[in-house]
This record gives sequence, C-alpha cells and structure tokens, in this order.
Amino acid sequence: AQSVSQHNHHVILSEAASLELGCNYSYGGTVNLFWYVQYPGQHLQLLLKYFSGDPLVKGIKGFEAEFIKSKFSFNLRKPSVQWSDTAEYFCAVVTGANNLFFGTGTRLTVIP
Amino acid sequence: NAGVTQTPKFQVLKTGQSMTLQCAQDMNHEYMSWYRQDPGMGLRLIHYSVGAGITDQGEVPNGYNVSRSTTEDFPLRLLSAAPSQTSVYFCASSYATGVVREQYFGPGTRLTVT
Repeated sequence: AQSVSQHNHHVILSEAASLELGCNYSYGGTVNLFWYVQYPGQHLQLLLKYFSGDPLVKGIKGFEAEFIKSKFSFNLRKPSVQWSDTAEYFCAVVTGANNLFFGTGTRLTVIP
Repeated sequence: NAGVTQTPKFQVLKTGQSMTLQCAQDMNHEYMSWYRQDPGMGLRLIHYSVGAGITDQGEVPNGYNVSRSTTEDFPLRLLSAAPSQTSVYFCASSYATGVVREQYFGPGTRLTVT
C-alpha cells in the first residue's frame, strides 16, 4: 500500500529564511511525485513534479525538490522565502490510473 | 478556456438531504477525479474516471456516487448527506491515462452538513 509522510505540520519562518519541507513516500510501483501548493482560499496548483531523469527538479517561484531514491524522500526547498509563500504544501505520489495519493500537508507561515 | 469549474462554491445541507456537486472541464481531459480535503488529513480520492462511461472507486467512496456520461462533466452525488461528509470537495482533471500527467484542480466546493 502507498503512503506519503509529511512530518512538518506547521512551519513558521521569517522572510529570507531558507525552507526545507520533508516528504517521505512508500509505493511499490514506478515512482512519480508531485508537490502542490494551496494559497489561502485557493485551489491546488502544481509547484513541481518528478517523473524520471535528473533527481533535482526545479519548479515555479524558485522552488526545487530532490528525489533521493535510497531515502524514499522528495523534499521541497527554497533558499529564501517570501511572505507570499505563506500557504499549505502537499506532497503526492501517483498511484494507478494517474490517481494522486497525498500527504497530510505542511502549513507554512512566513513572517514579514 | 475556463479550466476546471465547480458549482456551487458553498452549500449547507441537512442530514439526509441529497445533492449533486457539479464539475466540468473544457480541456478535453480523459481523466477526472474527486477529492475531499479535511483538516490534518490532506486530500483523499473519492472516485475517478478514465473516460466517458468509465468510473471507479478511490480511497473513500462510501456515501458518494458518480457517473461520466460526457468527457466534460463529472458530477458527484451525495445520496443521503451525513455530518461526516462536511468537507471541501475538489474536482481535478488531466490528459491521457496510462501516462502520468499533471492534474488541474477546480476551485472547490465547501459543504457543511448539519
């Protein structure tokens, strides 16, 4: 059975601080991973995705993530956060038929 | 194009009432799905469809029905609403099945069952 663990439930940072959000997955098939972001009151938007190839993937708004197969991890990073990055972040693994299995999410609050 | 649209945005139901949440997409996507979002639980898949006339259950299908008569529409029906179905519901769609594709999400429907 698949699982996605996001250990940080709520992260609070000051502007310009660096960000790393953890994501660990368990899935027996081919691993395809996503990070989605949900800004307050809005729907989910894709930040970045990993299908194959270079394990370091770059997304929108300066975010990147590294797929480490040996650690079953796909952590999200940003070198310098802004107040506008305040949002909830979801890691997800693709299961059969293109279905997404989500982690429980990490709420990020950036203090100006 | 409008992308993925959902109606209504908000809905309050009494226990036992039925209703249909509407979802439509204008991107000619084969794959469509419904998720519910609850605090501390992320998003969980309710039902999905890989094309017109084809639907299947996800992780939490109980209490919900779906049908897919056209490529564009994928309504979610609550036959007899229960307080446990209070949630935010998101519809999503993507291009071809069989190959992993990004899913596009609608704006959500916030449902309260009293």
